[in-house]
Amino acid sequence: EAGVVQSPRYKIIEKKQPVAFWCNPISGHNTLYWYLQNLGQGPELLIRYENEEAVDDSQLPKDRFSAERLKGVDSTLKIQPAELGDSAVYLCASSPGGGATDTQYFGPGTRLTVL
Amino acid sequence: GDSVTQMEGPVTLSEEAFLTINCTYTATGYPSLFWYVQYPGEGLQLLLKATKADDKGSNKGFEATYRKETTSFHLEKGSVQVSDSAVYFCALSGISGTYKYIFGTGTRLKVLA
Repeated sequence: EAGVVQSPRYKIIEKKQPVAFWCNPISGHNTLYWYLQNLGQGPELLIRYENEEAVDDSQLPKDRFSAERLKGVDSTLKIQPAELGDSAVYLCASSPGGGATDTQYFGPGTRLTVL
Repeated sequence: GDSVTQMEGPVTLSEEAFLTINCTYTATGYPSLFWYVQYPGEGLQLLLKATKADDKGSNKGFEATYRKETTSFHLEKGSVQVSDSAVYFCALSGISGTYKYIFGTGTRLKVLA
């Protein structure tokens, strides 16, 4: 079974430029998550989707971040414009459902460096 | 607020040594508890989990017991290998019935041959 796929793996941009990250979850997983992981820290949730609906985006900085999951499968996370402080690893995860005991399956992440 | 506290790393051990990584939590209600592992260049993988008090999760020689009285979920392994070198994250979910994961800051383990 294929795992969660993310691309690109690495991205270097200059500040004020836009950037987008793509995620393909495990087939059949209805719930998709985007996390932010700063160096030396644990992941922090940005947004959670149930199918194509964003059911929790309370931690997403909406002035510069946006996300979509148009057909309830793949998802894209965008930053526009990027700031120096956005340098981090962006993780995508999926789970079969959104229950409290459900295992979340993580992709390898996209490491973003903003210069 | 709800939180997870892990022991700081790095933890450096010789091969075949006994491992303990401490994890304590603060939460309202009765969360589920998880240990995830992150190998270099890879995403987080579930190592084990426990969903109620006194449950023991186990996998690949690792164990952790959900201790409600001490609000702890310490990770243990009797004999570590070089291949266990990774970052280990403790997490909880199910606070007040929600799905939301809260992760600790991670503990890096280095096992020397």
